[in-house]
Amino acid sequence: KNEVEQSPQNLTAQEGEFITINCSYSVGISALHWLQQHPGGGIVSLFMLSSGKKKHGRLIATINIQEKHSSLHITASHPRDSAVYICAVWHSGGSNYKLTFGKGTLLTVNP
Amino acid sequence: NAGVTQTPKFQVLKTGQSMTLQCAQDMNHNSMYWYRQDPGMGLRLIYYSASEGTTDKGEVPNGYNVSRLNKREFSLRLESAAPSQTSVYFCASRYLFAGVSNQPQHFGDGTRLSIL
Repeated sequence: KNEVEQSPQNLTAQEGEFITINCSYSVGISALHWLQQHPGGGIVSLFMLSSGKKKHGRLIATINIQEKHSSLHITASHPRDSAVYICAVWHSGGSNYKLTFGKGTLLTVNP
Repeated sequence: NAGVTQTPKFQVLKTGQSMTLQCAQDMNHNSMYWYRQDPGMGLRLIYYSASEGTTDKGEVPNGYNVSRLNKREFSLRLESAAPSQTSVYFCASRYLFAGVSNQPQHFGDGTRLSIL
């Protein structure tokens, strides 16, 4: 069983819709990353958070440490938001040197 | 500010050939990482270097070697390439202090490697 599970695996939306991508994890963590990867492209860090909520433009990330769950929200989605969104966690306790990644959520936003 | 730079961006090899993937960062980060990304799987850690002078195996180290040449550079070598090593390889870096960090990880643009 993967330690980091994302849902949904694929998501198609119409421009302007509110998007939610979920991430659940089974290990103790020190922090969680949300990453974005455009098709054939590199990986960009959107957020890193260990508690509460962060907002950047139309993107909002929340985390509930007790429930081991994080969500990434996109308000007023746009076709340029089409990408793979990846959740990754830094493990707490043992080594802080390693990230464990989810398999990603492919988001397609149609005009 | 270039961030994390990987070379080459694309490479095709024949089975049994060797090659080195180069990675350099200019953010004064102390820890560096090599990942591979395969369809249907999350990124997997091949090797990492927590600080200059140290390297450690990750989840999938077999068939690879690494060198932390200096603080800036961390290379990945395939001694005898196999078709199973066809993948997209990402280098990343991060600043750690005493094993902890509030800083995100920065990724390179990837190297697309095909082994025939």
